[in-house]
Amino acid sequence: AQSVTQLGSHVSVSEGALVLLRCNYSSSVPPYLFWYVQYPNQGLQLLLKYTSAATLVKGINGFEAEFKKSETSFHLTKPSAHMSDAAEYFCAVSEGGADGLTFGKGTHLIIQP
Amino acid sequence: DAGVIQSPRHEVTEMGQEVTLRCKPISGHDYLFWYRQTMMRGLELLIYFNNNVPIDDSGMPEDRFSAKMPNASFSTLKIQPSEPRDSAVYFCASSFRSAGTDTQYFGPGTRLTVL
Repeated sequence: AQSVTQLGSHVSVSEGALVLLRCNYSSSVPPYLFWYVQYPNQGLQLLLKYTSAATLVKGINGFEAEFKKSETSFHLTKPSAHMSDAAEYFCAVSEGGADGLTFGKGTHLIIQP
Repeated sequence: DAGVIQSPRHEVTEMGQEVTLRCKPISGHDYLFWYRQTMMRGLELLIYFNNNVPIDDSGMPEDRFSAKMPNASFSTLKIQPSEPRDSAVYFCASSFRSAGTDTQYFGPGTRLTVL
């Protein structure tokens, strides 16, 4: 069975500071990993995905994530936070490329001016 | 492209009533997923279809829930009878199977409130 753990239900950073959202996964097979963002009262939008190619994945809006098999981690980073980054972020895993996703509980990112 | 379309966006009903949620996937997509989001349980996969055929319904909470996909452009999720604990946001997502990993595109969701 697969699972995802997101450390920190809320993360607060200052505008311009580094954003780091943590995600650890458990999977019995090489996983497919995703980060989605959800703005209030909206659906989920894909930020980036890992598909067993490059371990450093670049996504939209300046976000990137690094797959570390030894640490079973897929942390999301952005060098400089912007007010518009305030949202809920979800890490997800799939054991088959077309299967349903298993989501973490989400991390609410707060940007302080 | 219009994206994934869900209707209604909001639904308020009374306990015991039948509720039907609707989803139109992105044209050409061959996978369709139903998810439920609650504060307590987060985002959960309920069921998914491939080429209109249900593949995995192990996430459907109980027999009161049913889902159908009569054709490639339409799916329904029905709750009968509804209960207050079914209150949640229900998302539909679709994807296209291609070489590599598929991206699931989510609809805006239906916020269901059962009184």
